[in-house]
Amino acid sequence: DAKTTQPNSMESNEEEPVHLPCNHSTISGTDYIHWYRQLPSQGPEYVIHGLTSNVNNRMASLAIAEDRKSSTLILHRATLRDAAVYYCIRRGFSSASKIIFGSGTRLSIRP
Amino acid sequence: DAGVTQSPTHLIKTRGQQVTLRCSPKSGHDTVSWYQQALGQGPQFIFQYYEEEERQRGNFPDRFSGHQFPNYSSELNVNALLLGDSALYLCASGTTVPNTEAFFGQGTRLTVV
Repeated sequence: DAKTTQPNSMESNEEEPVHLPCNHSTISGTDYIHWYRQLPSQGPEYVIHGLTSNVNNRMASLAIAEDRKSSTLILHRATLRDAAVYYCIRRGFSSASKIIFGSGTRLSIRP
Repeated sequence: DAGVTQSPTHLIKTRGQQVTLRCSPKSGHDTVSWYQQALGQGPQFIFQYYEEEERQRGNFPDRFSGHQFPNYSSELNVNALLLGDSALYLCASGTTVPNTEAFFGQGTRLTVV
């Protein structure tokens, strides 16, 4: 049970921002929100994670709602290389926590 | 840093046979998890190894077994292969340091005929 809900697919234009939503209404107080993405013919790749406050790294930004029931992954300027399946995952603090994948959002980028 | 390496990259087996897949974790990592990914679906957790013991297991039959070696590398064994075992098998490595990400290999594509 992935316990997160994401749209099946989204499309965006190259060089424009992309906002990928995720609902996790039953999240516990100690679960982190992780995002991974899977490019075609590759294994999943870590993108970003956070607990309560917004997070930024070189790949993306993560905006977490104040009630923590939803979050949004933001790609500031999409490129064709960003076309992938994006997975939003709840994960415990312990890094031994297993990663439970849902079906993710398939992001397509239009040139 | 070679990252997570898996072998072989592709494999074709016949129903009823047995298969062994191998994984070398990223340098500095000591936990290994295995996932099965059917076409068009998200990866499904099989099991996790740490300190050479199976620590967690997903909803997979006993035909799926594994091993972790002292150098932290791992094997996934599947016995009595079924057509439905055809999938991409992914290995992920990590550490026990809290709040750190997992790194995935490129996977082994298993086809059962």
